[in-house]
Amino acid sequence: QKEVEQDPGPLSVPEGAIVSLNCTYSNSAFQYFMWYRQYSRKGPELLMYTYSSGNKEDGRFTAQVDKSSKYISLFIRDSQPSDSATYLCAMSPYGNNRLAFGKGNQVVVIP
Amino acid sequence: NAGVTQTPKFQVLKTGQSMTLQCAQDMNHNSMYWYRQDPGMGLRLIYYSASEGTTDKGEVPNGYNVSRLNKREFSLRLESAAPSQTSVYFCASTPQGANTQYFGPGTRLTVL
Repeated sequence: QKEVEQDPGPLSVPEGAIVSLNCTYSNSAFQYFMWYRQYSRKGPELLMYTYSSGNKEDGRFTAQVDKSSKYISLFIRDSQPSDSATYLCAMSPYGNNRLAFGKGNQVVVIP
Repeated sequence: NAGVTQTPKFQVLKTGQSMTLQCAQDMNHNSMYWYRQDPGMGLRLIYYSASEGTTDKGEVPNGYNVSRLNKREFSLRLESAAPSQTSVYFCASTPQGANTQYFGPGTRLTVL
């Protein structure tokens, strides 16, 4: 079993819809959880960062972590065509800055 | 502040040729990483350097060597390129005490 599982999609939604992405993981030592956004032919850029369980909101983006279920989510409200990208989840345990990545989920927002 | 820079942006090699991919960061970060990204495989760690003067193997180190030249620069060398090394290569860096990684724009390498 891979440490981090992420459905690769692609996921197509109409503009203005809510996008829901998630990852599951197997390593209970993971404490730090991140979401990266990667536009086509570009490097990944950090989008959201959370520590341990709970929610974090930043504008139209909300990240949720449920450590009891080993499940993390990213929600994008009022999606825009500019949100069309691949979204990668990443996580690491305390004291180790090597990240375990999901394979990425391609999102297409249709105008 | 350029962040993480990588050169070259594109490269085509013939099987057996060698080359070095360059990476530099101007953020005074301690740790640096080299990844490859292939369709359906996600990001896979090749080598990393926790600090200047140290390097360690990642998930897929075979066929690669690295040099942490100084705190700013971390290079990746392919001694004898193979078609299986056709990929997009990303360099990343992390500040001391943090977990977040900051990525460069990538190098697209094709080995014929």
